Amino acid sequence: GAVVSQHPSRVICKSGTSVKIECRSLDFQATTMFWYRQFPKQSLMLMATSNEGSKATYEQGVEKDKFLINHASLTLSTLTVTSAHPEDSSFYICSAGRGATEAFFGQGTRLTVV
Amino acid sequence: QKEVEQNSGPLSVPEGAIASLNCTYSDRGSQSFFWYRQYSGKSPELIMFIYSNGDKEDGRFTAQLNKASQYVSLLIRDSQPSDSATYLCAVTGGTGGFKTIFGAGTRLFVKA
Repeated sequence: GAVVSQHPSRVICKSGTSVKIECRSLDFQATTMFWYRQFPKQSLMLMATSNEGSKATYEQGVEKDKFLINHASLTLSTLTVTSAHPEDSSFYICSAGRGATEAFFGQGTRLTVV
Repeated sequence: QKEVEQNSGPLSVPEGAIASLNCTYSDRGSQSFFWYRQYSGKSPELIMFIYSNGDKEDGRFTAQLNKASQYVSLLIRDSQPSDSATYLCAVTGGTGGFKTIFGAGTRLFVKA
C-alpha cells in the first residue's frame, strides 16, 4: 500500500506561537492532499484541499490566514497553524490522493496548545 | 440531513460473531465508498473500498453497496477483540468531487 508520512506525531506549543505540520507521500506522487481536523469523539472534518502548485481550497468556517497550507511539490504539503490558541488543540490528519479516488492517511499530529 | 450517516453505537458483539455496520449517504452521485477503522488516538486505516453495487469480500470483511438505496454496509465475520475500534464510512464523488466526506463513525466492541 501507499505510505504517507506525517510529522510531528505530537507537539505541544505555547499560545501565540506557530506550528508547522508536514505531510509526505513516500512512494507515490500526490497531486491532491487533504487536511482534516478531528476533535475528541468526533469524525474527521475536512479543513482544506491542497493541489500542487496552486492555492488551497478551504472549507467554510476555516480561516485561511490562520491555517496556512503549502503544497510545493507532488510529495509534500505543509500545514502551519499560526498564532495557535488552546481551542486549536486537536488531532490533525493529512491524506494524500492517488489516482482518481484513492486517498491514504498520514499518522496524524496531536497538537496541544497551552 | 447529514451527508453521511452512521449509527454512533456502541455496537457490542461477542467474539466470533458477525458485526454489521451500516451507513447511508445523501448524494446520489457519489461514486466511491470506503470503510476505515480508527483506533483511539490513531489515524484512520483503510479496510475496504467499493465502487459497484453488490458485495465485495476481503478476508473476514465484506462490503455491500446498494446505490439505489444509497446504502453501504460492512460485515465483519468471526469478530475478534482486536476489531474493537471506531469504523468510519466515507464517500467521494458526486457534487464533492474528489473530496472525501466522512460519517461520524460507529464504535464497535467485541467481547472476549
